[in-house]
Amino acid sequence: AQTVTQSQPEMSVQEAETVTLSCTYDTSESDYYLFWYKQPPSRQMILVIRQEAYKQQNATENRFSVNFQKAAKSFSLKISDSQLGDAAMYFCASHFSDNAGNMLTFGGGTRLMVKP
Amino acid sequence: EAQVTQNPRYLITVTGKKLTVTCSQNMNHEYMSWYRQDPGLGLRQIYYSMNVEVTDKGDVPEGYKVSRKEKRNFPLILESPSPNQTSLYFCASSLTYNYGYTFGSGTRLTVV
Repeated sequence: AQTVTQSQPEMSVQEAETVTLSCTYDTSESDYYLFWYKQPPSRQMILVIRQEAYKQQNATENRFSVNFQKAAKSFSLKISDSQLGDAAMYFCASHFSDNAGNMLTFGGGTRLMVKP
Repeated sequence: EAQVTQNPRYLITVTGKKLTVTCSQNMNHEYMSWYRQDPGLGLRQIYYSMNVEVTDKGDVPEGYKVSRKEKRNFPLILESPSPNQTSLYFCASSLTYNYGYTFGSGTRLTVV
C-alpha cells in the first residue's frame, strides 16, 4: 500500500527564520507526483507546491521550496523568511500512478506555529 | 472566480436522518472527489468521479453515496448518518490527475 508519513506533529519557527517540514512516502512506483498543501485556521486547503517525480530539479514557489530525495523517498518543505501568515497545518500528499481515480494520499499533517 | 463551492459549511444532525452535502465547481474539471479529515489521519478519500456518470469508491466509502449527473456537481449523500461520520468534509476538483486539486471550504458535520 502507498503511504505518506509526516513525523512532526508540531513545529515552531521564529518570524523571519527558516523552517523545514519533513515528509516521507513509500511506493514501488517510479512515476508519481508530490504536493504540499497548507490549511490555515480558515480550514481552506491551499496548494503550496507541486513536484513531479521524474524531474530532478527541486520545485520552488517564492519563499517555499522542496528538497526532493527520490532514492530516500523524502519530500521536505522549506519555508524561508517565515511570516505570521505561514502559521497553519501543512499536509504532504502524493498521487501514485497506479492509483485509479486520481486519489491523493495524505500524510497526517504538521502544525506550524510562527512566533513573533 | 474559479472555485469549488460546498454547502452547508456547518451541519448538526441526528443519527439516521438522511442528509446531502452539495458540491459545485465552475472550472469545467473532469475529476471530482470527496475527502474526510480527522485529527491525526490527514485526509482520506471517500468517493471520486472521473467524469459524468463515472464514480468509484475511495478508501473509506462505507455509509456514503455520491452521484455525478452533471459535470459541475458532485453531491455527497449520507443515507443514515451515524456518530462515527462526524468529521470535516472536503469536496475537491482537478483538471487532470496530476495537477493537484482545488478544494472547497469544507463542511463540518456533527452527528449526535
